[in-house]
Amino acid sequence: TQLLEQSPQFLSIQEGENLTVYCNSSSVFSSLQWYRQEPGEGPVLLVTVVTGGEVKKLKRLTFQFGDARKDSSLHITAAQPGDTGLYLCAGVRGGATNKLIFGTGTLLAVQP
Amino acid sequence: EAGVTQFPSHSVIEKGQTVTLRCDPISGHDNLYWYRRVMGKEIKFLLHFVKESKQDESGMPNNRFLAERTGGTYSTLKVQPAELEDSGVYFCASSLVGGANVLTFGAGSRLTVL
Repeated sequence: TQLLEQSPQFLSIQEGENLTVYCNSSSVFSSLQWYRQEPGEGPVLLVTVVTGGEVKKLKRLTFQFGDARKDSSLHITAAQPGDTGLYLCAGVRGGATNKLIFGTGTLLAVQP
Repeated sequence: EAGVTQFPSHSVIEKGQTVTLRCDPISGHDNLYWYRRVMGKEIKFLLHFVKESKQDESGMPNNRFLAERTGGTYSTLKVQPAELEDSGVYFCASSLVGGANVLTFGAGSRLTVL
């Protein structure tokens, strides 16, 4: 069973702090996606990284795909209360379906 | 553009009963996916439709689950008979291009089996 372990599971920080969420696996993925989910809603795609070592920035969010395409990280600079939510990584193995293999999730709470 | 719509948002049934969940994808999206999250676990893939055909149903847990997409528009996921371990949130997603290119998820249908 492929497993994407995210760490930390829970994170509570103050507004303005920086944080990093990690997504690790022993499996290689053709690409990796990051989602954010808010209560009562479905996951919303933030970014897709495809190339090993790739770095993508989305405002205060920086996403990196590991060189070996087995892991990824999400760094948030100067967190805001609006960043609060469940962050999910999801690996794509490729093939006909390209089904997503979701990580265990990181619940982030940013206190004002 | 309307998003992915799921109905009902929450269903509470007793063990042994039947429940049918419905998903209306974004208009024009040929690809439709079902995923679910059971308590304390990660979201897991159930199956993938391309139009009305099942492209991959490797994630379906057992034969108590039946997914259909007649006409290639909306999809239904029926659980019959429901068991306690079926409780969870069932998500539907759709995409225009095949594969995990850009999936739009619905808000999910929460199923509680008592």
